[in-house]
Amino acid sequence: DQQVKQNSPSLSVQEGRISILNCDYTNSMFDYFLWYKKYPAEGPTFLISISSIKDKNEDGRFTVFLNKSAKHLSLHIVPSQPGDSAVYFCAASAGSNYQLIWGAGTKLIIKP
Amino acid sequence: DVKVTQSSRYLVKRTGEKVFLECVQDMDHENMFWYRQDPGLGLRLIYFSYDVKMKEKGDIPEGYSVSREKKERFSLILESASTNQTSMYLCASSLTAFYGYTFGSGTRLTVV
Repeated sequence: DQQVKQNSPSLSVQEGRISILNCDYTNSMFDYFLWYKKYPAEGPTFLISISSIKDKNEDGRFTVFLNKSAKHLSLHIVPSQPGDSAVYFCAASAGSNYQLIWGAGTKLIIKP
Repeated sequence: DVKVTQSSRYLVKRTGEKVFLECVQDMDHENMFWYRQDPGLGLRLIYFSYDVKMKEKGDIPEGYSVSREKKERFSLILESASTNQTSMYLCASSLTAFYGYTFGSGTRLTVV
């Protein structure tokens, strides 16, 4: 049973527009959420995170929104750039649990 | 910056061979992890270690073992490689349990 779900395997967005990547989770004990970005033939790199005491965190072009009641988070990228084309993973943690639980990833393609 | 180095980028092994994947980190991190990444399945945790000589099973430990004799090195061992272990293997280290994972570039293993 997947506790972290990214239901869109891929997403195509025009350069300059907003990219919205979604992630749903089932475990109400999760209290820390992260987004990682992965280019082909490289390891994932940390992008942005949010703790459950917040509902929004912003870092430059990247904003993560958390809706605890819906158990849903989203990553917004504005404006989208060609270098944003990558696979994006959502991950969640239940506090002191050592493990991050990962979603399956969404491949974002930015069209020129 | 933390650097996580995986010994090989690409490996081709025969069924039944014993395979060693090596991972070294240079920032004195306590926690180290081995994941495999498969399309549509995201990152699945094989084993992790939170201290020298300590190891914990992740979600898919069957067919794998690990060794952590020194803090900076975490080895993944495929005792008898099988074709269903063809995958991208990613090593990561972190200072805390769930935050600030740094990944290596990955090893793409093909078992023929």
